Amino acid sequence: AQSVTQLDSHVSVSEGTPVLLRCNYSSSYSPSLFWYVQHPNKGLQLLLKYTSAATLVKGINGFEAEFKKSETSFHLTKPSAHMSDAAEYFCVVIKNTGGFKTIFGAGTRLFVKA
Amino acid sequence: DGGITQSPKYLFRKEGQNVTLSCEQNLNHDAMYWYRQDPGQGLRLIYYSQIVNDFQKGDIAEGYSVSREKKESFPLTVTSAQKNPTAFYLCASSTDRRETQYFGPGTRLLVL
Repeated sequence: AQSVTQLDSHVSVSEGTPVLLRCNYSSSYSPSLFWYVQHPNKGLQLLLKYTSAATLVKGINGFEAEFKKSETSFHLTKPSAHMSDAAEYFCVVIKNTGGFKTIFGAGTRLFVKA
Repeated sequence: DGGITQSPKYLFRKEGQNVTLSCEQNLNHDAMYWYRQDPGQGLRLIYYSQIVNDFQKGDIAEGYSVSREKKESFPLTVTSAQKNPTAFYLCASSTDRRETQYFGPGTRLLVL
């Protein structure tokens, strides 16, 4: 069965410190992986995507994620948090064998303290 | 300015009433999707359409209906059969089901 697990429902960091949002997936095959950000009462905005070209993916706003097949992980990081990063983040998998299905993680709420 | 628009931003439904949420895209995407988002949960797929005049049920289609008469439009009707419609509804589109989905700003549906 396909699944996406975001390991933390909430993460709190201080402004200027690193951010780590964790995502694990289960898949029999290499899927397409995405991170989206959602600010309150807004739609989802694409941060970055992995599609097997490179294991370290750089996205917008200084975020990046590393695909680790051996650990089935796709953790999102940023070296230095900004107040504007406070939002909800979703890890998403597109299963691409036997029919396409998009699976969303439950989300991680990021709080940034001044 | 390309993108996805949803209207209205807020919608109120009375008991027993059907309401329709609009979704329009000018990205020339073939695939379109409707999701429901409840607090503390990820997105759940209601319906999707891969091409004009064709659509498929998602994981929670009961109480909802859609149409896809034009490539750029994919309206969602929340029928009176949907007993718990209060949620945030998101529309998305992509070139096809394997590709990145782009989202609209959402419609919040509230029950009076």
